This record gives sequence, C-alpha cells and structure tokens, in this order.
Amino acid sequence: TQLLEQSPQFLSIQEGENLTVYCNSSSVFSSLQWYRQEPGEGPVLLVTVVTGGEVKKLKRLTFQFGDARKDSSLHITAAQPGDTGLYLCAGPHEKRSQGNLIFGKGTKLSVKP
Amino acid sequence: DTGVSQNPRHKITKRGQNVTFRCDPISEHNRLYWYRQTLGQGPEFLTYFQNEAQLEKSRLLSDRFSAERPKGSFSTLEIQRTEQGDSAMYLCASSPSRFAGGYGYTFGSGTRLTVV
Repeated sequence: TQLLEQSPQFLSIQEGENLTVYCNSSSVFSSLQWYRQEPGEGPVLLVTVVTGGEVKKLKRLTFQFGDARKDSSLHITAAQPGDTGLYLCAGPHEKRSQGNLIFGKGTKLSVKP
Repeated sequence: DTGVSQNPRHKITKRGQNVTFRCDPISEHNRLYWYRQTLGQGPEFLTYFQNEAQLEKSRLLSDRFSAERPKGSFSTLEIQRTEQGDSAMYLCASSPSRFAGGYGYTFGSGTRLTVV
C-alpha cells in the first residue's frame, strides 16, 4: 500500500523563523506535488517535482525531491503569517492507469506575527 | 476561466436525506476528480472521469454514492440516505489528461457537508 507520511503534524513558529517539513514514503513515486490549503478552501498546487534530487524554488519556499524519489521536503525561509496553512504532499498512484493522487495527512503550519 | 467551481459551498442536511453537489471544471480540462476530506486528514480519492466516462471508483464510494458527468462537462455527486459519517468536505478537481497523474490538479473550494 502506498502511503505518504508527513511530519511534523503541527508546527507553530514566530514570524521570521525558518522551517522544514517532510514527506516520506517507503514507495517510489514518479513525481510528488506540494499543495497549500487554507481553512474552508481547496488545496492549491505549489510545485511538482519529477526528477530524483531535483530542487525547486518558489520565492522563500524551497522544495527538494529525494534521490531515490521516496521522499520530499519543503523549506520555508523567514516565514510570514501569510504562510499559515495546511501543507499537503501528494503523488500519483503506482498503477499509472489510475488517475488518482495519494495525499499525506498534511502539516498544519501556524506563523505568529 | 474562473477555475473549478463547486456548489453549494455549504450544505446541512438531516440524516437520511439525499444531497447532490455540482462541480464545474476548467472548460479545457477533460479529467475531473472527486475527493473527500475529513478533519485532520488529507483528501481521499473517490472517483474520476475522463470526459463523460467514469474510469475509476474508490472502495470508499459505497452504493449510496453516485457520480455523473453528462456530456463531459459539469459533474454531480449524489449521496443517498445520508449518514453522520458522510459529514466531510467534498472536493472536486480537474486536469488536462496529458498531465494526468503527475502534474497537479486544480481544486475547487469544496462543498462542506454536515449531516445532523
């Protein structure tokens, strides 16, 4: 069974601090995606990583895909209150003929001013 | 295009009643997905369509659930004889088929269902 485990589950930090959240699996994924979800809204895609070892930057957010394509991390530099939200990682089901994504449970981030 | 639109945003219903949700995907996207999300969990896959064809259904989708996508445009998700355990956020997403499975979905804002 493919599972994506995210850690930590909750994270509360002060504005200006740096943080890293993790997404791990025992299975290989062809790609992984990161989404941010605000309360009462649907997830919004932040990035897709495809190649093992790949690093992508989106302003203060840095995403890394593990060399073995079993894990990914999201690092936020100088967090701001606007970064508050639920960060979800997701990957395509191993049976590529199936169109669904598997999601982790997410990391709930709170950035206090 | 205004993105993926879901209606209603909120629905409160009594146990045993039927409810129907609507999703209007991005017009050029031919894949449409339904997910369910409960508190503290990530979204869980329910079903997806390629145009009007329903290609996969999760085991989570009991006989009380039915989804349709007539003419390959909007989709409806109906829950019959609702139970309290059906209370959740129901999310719809769409994608172009050439990006399916690996390049990200566009989600709607969801329909929050509360069964009392």
